[in-house]
Amino acid sequence: DIQVTQSPSSLSASVGDRVTITCRASQSISSYLNWYQQKPGKAPKLLIYGSSSLQSGVPSRFSGSESGTDFTLTISSLQPEDFATYYCQQSYSTPITFGQGTRLENK
Amino acid sequence: EVQLLESGGDLVQPGGTLRLSCAAFGYTFSNYAMSWVRQAPGKGPEWVSGISDSGDNTFYADSVKGRFTISRDNSKNTLYLQMSSLRVEDTAVYYCAKVGERYRDYYYYMDVWGKGTTVTVSS
Repeated sequence: DIQVTQSPSSLSASVGDRVTITCRASQSISSYLNWYQQKPGKAPKLLIYGSSSLQSGVPSRFSGSESGTDFTLTISSLQPEDFATYYCQQSYSTPITFGQGTRLENK
Repeated sequence: EVQLLESGGDLVQPGGTLRLSCAAFGYTFSNYAMSWVRQAPGKGPEWVSGISDSGDNTFYADSVKGRFTISRDNSKNTLYLQMSSLRVEDTAVYYCAKVGERYRDYYYYMDVWGKGTTVTVSS
């Protein structure tokens, strides 16, 4: 199975900050890496698919990039509604695997 | 509007059985692969099972293989998860999710998720 290692596990930031979250895949997965946002009591919400494609309706302050097996989610200017937990997920091969999550908290 | 609505979650004793359903609305259900993903309290999402758009191909996580069965009825726009030999560690919110593009493998990105249904396994 392909492992995706996400870091950091938690992050404190303030409104207006630039935030980056990283996932590293255990092998090459091309660009098959997706990012989800989850708020308490809610289902995960797709933000970015295919490493860098923004899902419809998602604000442009969210972006994704890749370098080899390292993938990054960037929030350019943190907004109050962005405090949540973020997960990466590889969609290169079965079985689906998720990162451990990054809890983004208000500093 | 594309929607997924899960049902069937309940409190069940260890060793028991349960059937979850996921009703799909607002898109051509038979064109999209589907998955069940669960989330235990305080934990991250864990993929459980996937099924192709036709229903011919099914896939399972090792943790549920031999105990859970995924199926779909494309005439009823409904996805199912039959769960048997339930364990305490199966306690979780169970979500159904559709893949983001037609005719793709189940492990493609998931663009729409239901609100989830809660399964509690306890004596």
